[in-house]
Amino acid sequence: QKEVEQDPGPLSVPEGAIVSLNCTYSNSAFQYFMWYRQYSRKGPELLMYTYSSGNKEDGRFTAQVDKSSKYISLFIRDSQPSDSATYLCAMIDPNQAGTALIFGKGTTLSVSS
Amino acid sequence: DSGVTQTPKHLITATGQRVTLRCSPRSGDLSVYWYQQSLDQGLQFLIQYYNGEERAKGNILERFSAQQFPDLHSELNLSSLELGDSALYFCASSGGGRHSETQYFGPGTRLLVL
Repeated sequence: QKEVEQDPGPLSVPEGAIVSLNCTYSNSAFQYFMWYRQYSRKGPELLMYTYSSGNKEDGRFTAQVDKSSKYISLFIRDSQPSDSATYLCAMIDPNQAGTALIFGKGTTLSVSS
Repeated sequence: DSGVTQTPKHLITATGQRVTLRCSPRSGDLSVYWYQQSLDQGLQFLIQYYNGEERAKGNILERFSAQQFPDLHSELNLSSLELGDSALYFCASSGGGRHSETQYFGPGTRLLVL
C-alpha cells in the first residue's frame, strides 16, 4: 500500500463547476498537509497548507483535512480553464528525519470553456 | 515566480556521463531539497540539506550526490548516467519564517539521457 493515494484522473469538468480532489494516506502520524498545482512540465506551485483537521479557505480554494479518516480534500469553486493542471497532495511524516514531502501521484484536471 | 532558481533548464547527455544541476534557494531559506519526477514514479524525494549540512536522505542512488555551499546554493551531481535517469529534477527550499515546512519549488531541470 502506498503511503499517499490519489486518483490520477483525468477529471474533466465544464467551466464554473465545483471540483473535488482527494487523497488518502496510511500513516496516522502525518501532519502538514499541502496542495500543489503543477502545470505541464513546470515546477509545482504551493496552493494550500493546513496543519490540523478542519477547513481552510483561500479565494476559490478550500482545503479540508479529516485526520480521523486519513483523508484530505481540495475543493475548487467556479472552476476556470486556467485551473487545468495536475494537482498534487503532499504531507510530512514528523517521525522521519528532515521535512521531506511525501506526494501523491497527482490528479489531472481539465476544465473546458 | 517562487524565488527558487535552477540551472540549466534542459540537459541532454549520453549514458555513462556526469552532470551537475544547480539550485539557488529563496532568499532567507536555509533548507534545500532535491526531488526527481518521472512519469511512472511521481515526485520522489532525493535529499535535503539544511544550512550546509545533510539532513535527510530519500531514494537517492549511490551514483548521485549533492552538497550545499556556504552561500546556501546547492548542486546535485549525477554520474554514470543511465537511460532511466531521464526525468525532471526539482529543487525546493524552505526554512524562513513561521511555516518552515512549506516548500517552494523551482522550475526544474529536464534531463534526457540518450
